[in-house]
Amino acid sequence: GESVGLHLPTLSVQEGDNSIINCAYSNSASDYFIWYKQESGKGPQFIIDIRSNMDKRQGQRVTVLLNKTVKHLSLQIAATQPGDSAVYFCAERRSSNDYKLSFGAGTTVTVRA
Amino acid sequence: NAGVTQTPKFRVLKTGQSMTLLCAQDMNHEYMYWYRQDPGMGLRLIHYSVGEGTTAKGEVPDGYNVSRLKKQNFLLGLESAAPSQTSVYFCASRAGLIYSEQFFGPGTRLTVL
Repeated sequence: GESVGLHLPTLSVQEGDNSIINCAYSNSASDYFIWYKQESGKGPQFIIDIRSNMDKRQGQRVTVLLNKTVKHLSLQIAATQPGDSAVYFCAERRSSNDYKLSFGAGTTVTVRA
Repeated sequence: NAGVTQTPKFRVLKTGQSMTLLCAQDMNHEYMYWYRQDPGMGLRLIHYSVGEGTTAKGEVPDGYNVSRLKKQNFLLGLESAAPSQTSVYFCASRAGLIYSEQFFGPGTRLTVL
């Protein structure tokens, strides 16, 4: 079954505000995590990744935080824009020997003008 | 680079018909994957391949077969389509490295009547 899940299926954000999307995982051996963005009618697109030996990683307007103590992953989007409206998925690799990623169900982010 | 491409983009089948979905990647990736995406269920892995000539079952393999005769291509076959196979199918590929992102194709929308 799924070990990666998102806390909320939907998130509505005012344009210009910061967004925080959360993800919980249950496998303590998971060593690699990825956030994907999927716009309507398109395939998932890589946003940012983080290894289990890191707590934080920053990209352009995005930050991923990893809390291994409580098995929690979050994606922060700064100054949310209308183009950020999409479904966001977290994915995990459950061990270093695993060829596969396990995906959560996704959070739909809607940006209000 | 075209990345990951999928053929066809849309298809409508009648119950019992067969078809093959083609995935191609030009990134020389070792690993390739087939997922299906249904509303509210995220991405579920059907089959995957870790190299030319190899295939393995994912979490929902029943009713599907795959082949990887060439490194750049991964074919997904439905021998006798059923309405339950109505879904959006995504192909993905990943380099054979410890930490590497997964690239997705644009998807194939399949309807089985």
